[in-house]
Amino acid sequence: GAGVSQTPSNKVTEKGKYVELRCDPISGHTALYWYRQSLGQGPEFLIYFQGTGAADDSGLPNDRFFAVRPEGSVSTLKIQRTERGDSAVYLCASSPGTTQETQYFGPGTRLLVL
Amino acid sequence: AQSVSQHNHHVILSEAASLELGCNYSYGGTVNLFWYVQYPGQHLQLLLKYFSGDPLVKGIKGFEAEFIKSKFSFNLRKPSVQWSDTAEYFCAVRNQAGTALIFGKGTTLSVSS
Repeated sequence: GAGVSQTPSNKVTEKGKYVELRCDPISGHTALYWYRQSLGQGPEFLIYFQGTGAADDSGLPNDRFFAVRPEGSVSTLKIQRTERGDSAVYLCASSPGTTQETQYFGPGTRLLVL
Repeated sequence: AQSVSQHNHHVILSEAASLELGCNYSYGGTVNLFWYVQYPGQHLQLLLKYFSGDPLVKGIKGFEAEFIKSKFSFNLRKPSVQWSDTAEYFCAVRNQAGTALIFGKGTTLSVSS
């Protein structure tokens, strides 16, 4: 079946601009996660959704970052007033139900802020 | 705060050599541990996981890992590597809240044929 998909695959923007990154989880998966991976590092947790609600947003670095999942399926990660330090690969993962289950990762969106 | 340490940044092996990648985690309670792999140009995939029970866990493609609680370790092993094992390997532990994975920095494995 289809895996986790993310769009766009690459995004180049200018410092100060607003960007939206989209994640389509595996159909039927209620848990959705966003991670950020900088060069030479492992993925770092940003936010976890269970259904429509953000159950844990403790990894969001500051209030420029926001994520939504209005219908409990597709999620959008929104970054306001982008900074060069936001450049990274943004990964989305989903799992069937509880956090005890395997997380399946998407291909990521590579964000470059000039 | 919980953390994961991977000792080797880059490992270079010849085909048929044995592999062991080190992973240590900081949390002393009940842990869920994972190894993920990222092949060139592909997304992260689960190799194996440990939740409880037999501390020797077998995963896909001939990989295994051993959970040693007294050493806070979860090392990945493979008796004989292949060129196709060239990839980046990440060790991860589920956080105490159970809401996320905490990853190590990864180990790049290069296998020459």
